[in-house]
Amino acid sequence: GAVVSQHPSWVICKSGTSVKIECRSLDFQATTMFWYRQFPKQSLMLMATSNEGSKATYEQGVEKDKFLINHASLTLSTLTVTSAHPEDSSFYICSAPTVSGEETQYFGPGTRLLVL
Amino acid sequence: QKEVEQNSGPLSVPEGAIASLNCTYSDRGSQSFFWYRQYSGKSPELIMSIYSNGDKEDGRFTAQLNKASQYVSLLIRDSQPSDSATYLCAVIRGSARQLTFGSGTQLTVLP
Repeated sequence: GAVVSQHPSWVICKSGTSVKIECRSLDFQATTMFWYRQFPKQSLMLMATSNEGSKATYEQGVEKDKFLINHASLTLSTLTVTSAHPEDSSFYICSAPTVSGEETQYFGPGTRLLVL
Repeated sequence: QKEVEQNSGPLSVPEGAIASLNCTYSDRGSQSFFWYRQYSGKSPELIMSIYSNGDKEDGRFTAQLNKASQYVSLLIRDSQPSDSATYLCAVIRGSARQLTFGSGTQLTVLP
């Protein structure tokens, strides 16, 4: 299957700082990427759809000013958690469909964020 | 009503048995259906995709789709302890490309 990478794999930060998470498609171009968040013992919840060359689309209840998304190129999307707080501690996972119109999505390995 | 529902389990089966995982969805416009496996602390891994009614087999895995009943299932034959994980049912609805996930079913295969 297609390969999607994320960096960093885990991060610990102090409350009030900002954290940037990168999502890269390694062997294909992705005009669209998706960002999910998963709390312990819960399923994945879609946060936003990242679109190359245009603004991200956020799901209801997700603060766009807190979770900044930049789709800088066809292989890179970044999620920045601004002024992180302990309640933002979670497992953040990105995914990308391989080809425009192809429905199958492949997930990155995830980034575990712990805000102290 | 949740958009995608799964029996949360936990489900335990002995090694070598058939594990049956079920999922229902609410949106009749749903077109694409997926089963992902997620090990603890890891991200989801695609197991099967199915788009049309009937069965689709891949090795020990068989996905079944019944759009009239809005039901999709995953059968795991000859279950192995390494199959122990949470299995997530996911659906793409209408023209959207986003996945909507069920809450997952935790499967334990007992040696």
